[in-house]
Formats: sequence, structure tokens, C-alpha cells
Amino acid sequence: AQRVTQPEKLLSVFKGAPVELKCNYSYSGSPELFWYVQYSRQRLQLLLRHISRESIKGFTADLNKGETSFHLKKPFAQEEDSAMYYCALGTGGFKTIFGAGTRLFVKA
Amino acid sequence: EAQVTQNPRYLITVTGKKLTVTCSQNMNHEYMSWYRQDPGLGLRQIYYSMNVEVTDKGDVPEGYKVSRKEKRNFPLILESPSPNQTSLYFCASRSSNSGNTIYFGEGSWLTVV
Repeated sequence: AQRVTQPEKLLSVFKGAPVELKCNYSYSGSPELFWYVQYSRQRLQLLLRHISRESIKGFTADLNKGETSFHLKKPFAQEEDSAMYYCALGTGGFKTIFGAGTRLFVKA
Repeated sequence: EAQVTQNPRYLITVTGKKLTVTCSQNMNHEYMSWYRQDPGLGLRQIYYSMNVEVTDKGDVPEGYKVSRKEKRNFPLILESPSPNQTSLYFCASRSSNSGNTIYFGEGSWLTVV
């Protein structure tokens, strides 16, 4: 079955602390993995995707096919990182499966 | 500016009263889709369309209809809304090229009483 699991509904860290948002997926084919972010009162927007292997706003994510994971990491969290984060799995065509989301709260 | 526009943004309606949420994109994208966002359940796909006159069910299509008569528009129709359709709805579009970004609308808050 195709599935995306984000085990943490809420993650609270202090400013300057490292943060890791977990994402595991289940898919038998070649996955496309994405992280989307939704800041307060804004629309969802792409944060990063695994094929780009880029760092956006200090965030990185590495696809680990052995562990079927695509965890999002940032070494030093900022208050403006507080948002809802969704991990998403693209399975070809327009079938994209989203996880339940993790709300990140960065405390001053 | 490239964008996905949906209307209305906020709506309170009564059970059984038909309503339509419009969605329009100006990026000439082939793919369009509707999602609903519910607490603890994340985003769930309702319907999607791969091109004009080509639509298919997503994960939670019950109670919804869609149409794709023009490439830019993809309205979501609730023929007889029920309270369990109270949710935040997002329209989205994407180019047909694999790996391309999904662009989302701002969301439509729908309450059915």
C-alpha cells in the first residue's frame, strides 16, 4: 500500500536547537518525495524535493531508500520556522499522497 | 503572477443546499486536483484531472463531483452537502512533467450546518 507516515503531530523546540521532522513512506516503485510547508494563514508551498538535493531556508532532507525515510532537518531552528509541515509522496501522474502533517513550534 | 485561485474562501451553508467551489489556474497546467484538509488526517485527495474532460476519483470522492470543461478551471461541486463535509478545501495544479511542483490555492473554509 502507498502510504506516508509522519509520526509526530506536534514538535516543539527552542530557538537555535536542531530540529528533525520524521517522514516514512511505503511505495513499491521509484518514489518522488517532497516536503511542503504551510505558514500561518498562507497556502501550502513546496519547501524542497529529493531530486533537487538542495537546502531551502536551512532545511535539508535526504532520501534513504533502505529505511524508506525522508526526514527533514535543520541544525538551528528559527521562530519563523514555526509552521505545518507535510511530507508527500509522488507516485507518477498526479497521484500525490500526503502525510498527516507535523506542526513545528519554535519557542523563543 | 502564477497562481491558483479558488472561491469562495469562506462559506457557511446548510445541509442539502448545492454549492460549487470554483478553481482557476493561469499556468496552463494539465493536472488539477482537489484536496480536503482535516485535523489529524492531513491532506486527502478528493478528485483529480489529468486534462480537459479527463477526471478520476481520489481517496475520498464520496459526496463530491467535478468537471473539467476548460483547462484552466476545475470546479468542485457538492450536490447535497452534509456536516461531515465541513473542512478546509484546497485546489491544486501541476504541470505534467514528472517531479514538478504542486501549486496550491489559498484554501476554502466550508462549514455545513
